[in-house]
Amino acid sequence: DGGITQSPKYLFRKEGQNVTLSCEQNLNHDAMYWYRQDPGQGLRLIYYSQIVNDFQKGDIAEGYSVSREKKESFPLTVTSAQKNPTAFYLCASSISSGGGQPQHFGDGTRLSIL
Amino acid sequence: AQSVTQLGSHVSVSEGALVLLRCNYSSSVPPYLFWYVQYPNQGLQLLLKYTSAATLVKGINGFEAEFKKSETSFHLTKPSAHMSDAAEYFCAVSPSILTGGGNKLTFGTGTQLKVEL
Repeated sequence: DGGITQSPKYLFRKEGQNVTLSCEQNLNHDAMYWYRQDPGQGLRLIYYSQIVNDFQKGDIAEGYSVSREKKESFPLTVTSAQKNPTAFYLCASSISSGGGQPQHFGDGTRLSIL
Repeated sequence: AQSVTQLGSHVSVSEGALVLLRCNYSSSVPPYLFWYVQYPNQGLQLLLKYTSAATLVKGINGFEAEFKKSETSFHLTKPSAHMSDAAEYFCAVSPSILTGGGNKLTFGTGTQLKVEL
């Protein structure tokens, strides 16, 4: 079945540590996105990629980094510079970056501070 | 910049009653509009989308939404609530092709729907 796989489902970070969240899709979609979800705030865009080897900052990119070396993969690194990383992180993809394309979501990674 | 407002962070209905979840958008040009549903500890699932074709859009699980340009609204309805409809619902907007901006989604803050017996 085609879809988006996020791993791990739960992740714990120590102070000063970088952690990487995995996102893999087998939908052959060009565009991929990372969102952060906090209670009562909806979803906020961290980074997005319209095509391989290209990505842009979203609304809350500080303290995060991404790469897009392969079409199917868009990992997110939460760096030690992100002082409040506890949140639910969702990865999404769409067939293209053209307007009106529905985004398909993975099941998320919940990140907590140890 | 476009924005989305969902009135009511929590809505409670009886099983079999009408479900109405409100969404208003702010954009000078009618954007693309979406409704998503999220069950606990899961990702978002697309319910329906408006892309400037018919103003009344039918989605999955018996939900529908009507685009009203004069009211800048895109409210979600379902004639008869079922216990399985209990979840969080998000309205989202992406820019019209006329204004550019690609396919970035701006989400509302969500409405938690509770269905009671």
